[in-house]
Amino acid sequence: EPEVTQTPSHQVTQMGQEVILRCVPISNHLYFYWYRQILGQKVEFLVSFYNNEISEKSEIFDDQFSVERPDGSNFTLKIRSTKLEDSAMYFCASMDISGNTIYFGEGSWLTVV
Amino acid sequence: GDSVTQMEGPVTLSEEAFLTINCTYTATGYPSLFWYVQYPGEGLQLLLKATKADDKGSNKGFEATYRKETTSFHLEKGSVQVSDSAVYFCALPVNQGGKLIFGQGTELSVKP
Repeated sequence: EPEVTQTPSHQVTQMGQEVILRCVPISNHLYFYWYRQILGQKVEFLVSFYNNEISEKSEIFDDQFSVERPDGSNFTLKIRSTKLEDSAMYFCASMDISGNTIYFGEGSWLTVV
Repeated sequence: GDSVTQMEGPVTLSEEAFLTINCTYTATGYPSLFWYVQYPGEGLQLLLKATKADDKGSNKGFEATYRKETTSFHLEKGSVQVSDSAVYFCALPVNQGGKLIFGQGTELSVKP
């Protein structure tokens, strides 16, 4: 079964450093997303991406965050200058054109120290 | 605005017990409804879904029926196993772009 893959599975970074989280969505999907889950809390929407541009973003997704689809397969989330409160599990997700179901990756644990 | 409310956890059950995890929602229109499961140390997996009122989604012995009249999508399983121990999330899309909002998650712990 096709799946969304994410790398790295876990990253530890120092406060103020830049981090790039990578995702390979399911190949025929056209909608891409990033969500995050702070430990013990609800899964929160960060951003959606369609047709090579951001279609929606949450209040969390400020100027420190950016997304990119650098080629036909990868979808990246960049945090420019990490803060302690960015420590969370970050999930990539994708959806096909029918819009029926969103599939999530395994997540990338980001720990900012 | 749209919202999802789940029963609070943790829920602790013995193996073979009956499970219900309540989920109610507030939404404009009649969106699809989803249950996702997160096993320890893993990501979110789609467990089941229902796309319209009175639909029943089912998978791995779990079921949930889309009840328009009570705006509910309760998750049930007749006989839980230790391997069902996980956090369960109810979710609904809030627009055509597929943005999901999640309930707060309900942790299930099944003891042998």
